[in-house]
Amino acid sequence: DQQVKQNSPSLSVQEGRISILNCDYTNSMFDYFLWYKKYPAEGPTFLISISSIKDKNEDGRFTVFLNKSAKHLSLHIVPSQPGDSAVYFCAAGIGNKLVFGAGTILRVKS
Amino acid sequence: SQTIHQWPATLVQPVGSPLSLECTVEGTSNPNLYWYRQAAGRGLQLLFYSVGIGQISSEVPQNLSASRPQDRQFILSSKKLLLSDSGFYLCAWSAWTGNSPLHFGNGTRLTVT
Repeated sequence: DQQVKQNSPSLSVQEGRISILNCDYTNSMFDYFLWYKKYPAEGPTFLISISSIKDKNEDGRFTVFLNKSAKHLSLHIVPSQPGDSAVYFCAAGIGNKLVFGAGTILRVKS
Repeated sequence: SQTIHQWPATLVQPVGSPLSLECTVEGTSNPNLYWYRQAAGRGLQLLFYSVGIGQISSEVPQNLSASRPQDRQFILSSKKLLLSDSGFYLCAWSAWTGNSPLHFGNGTRLTVT
C-alpha cells in the first residue's frame, strides 16, 4: 500500500526552464510534507518542507505547493540548473515518521 | 553543527553471516534515530526508529534488528544475512520536536552473496 506516490519515474528539462515534480498521497492524516534530493551513493539531502496548514512555501529557486483537497503536492525549480540533476523524493509525515515516494529522476540538459 | 556518521560505506557479506552497521550523531542531544532501506523503484522504506535509549520501533517484519545503546548511537544488526537483505541502508536523525526534517547519513551499500 503506497501512501505516497510519485507517478513520473523521470523528467527531462532544459537548463533555465522550470522543473515541476509531482507527488500524490492517500492518507489525510499526514501533517507535514518534505522534498529531498539525492545523488548516487549518497544519502538524501533535505530541500524544503511545508506544513499542512499552508499551501505554498518558497526557498530561493525552490517552491513547494500543497493542495490538500486533491492530496497533491509539487516542487517547482526555477530556473533549473544542470546541478539540479538528481533523484527527488517527496515525503509525508505524521509525528516522528516519514513515508517516502519512489522518487523521480530529474535530468537538466545544458 | 550536527553531523551524522554511518559506516562502512560498502559491505559484501556471504549468506548466513552476521551484520552490524553503526551510525552516530554529533552536535545534538536526544535525537530521533532511523534506519531506512532504499530498494529499486520503491523509494525509502522505514525499517526502525527510536525516540530514546533502548526504545526501538520496528516498522516491517524482517531478518534485521536494531539497538540504541547510547543516546546518539544506532546499530542495525542481523544474526544471519539473506540474499534479500542486499540493498542501500540509510541512517537518519531528526530533532526530538515534532514535524522536524530527517537528516541522512551517506548510506551503506550491502551486497549479500
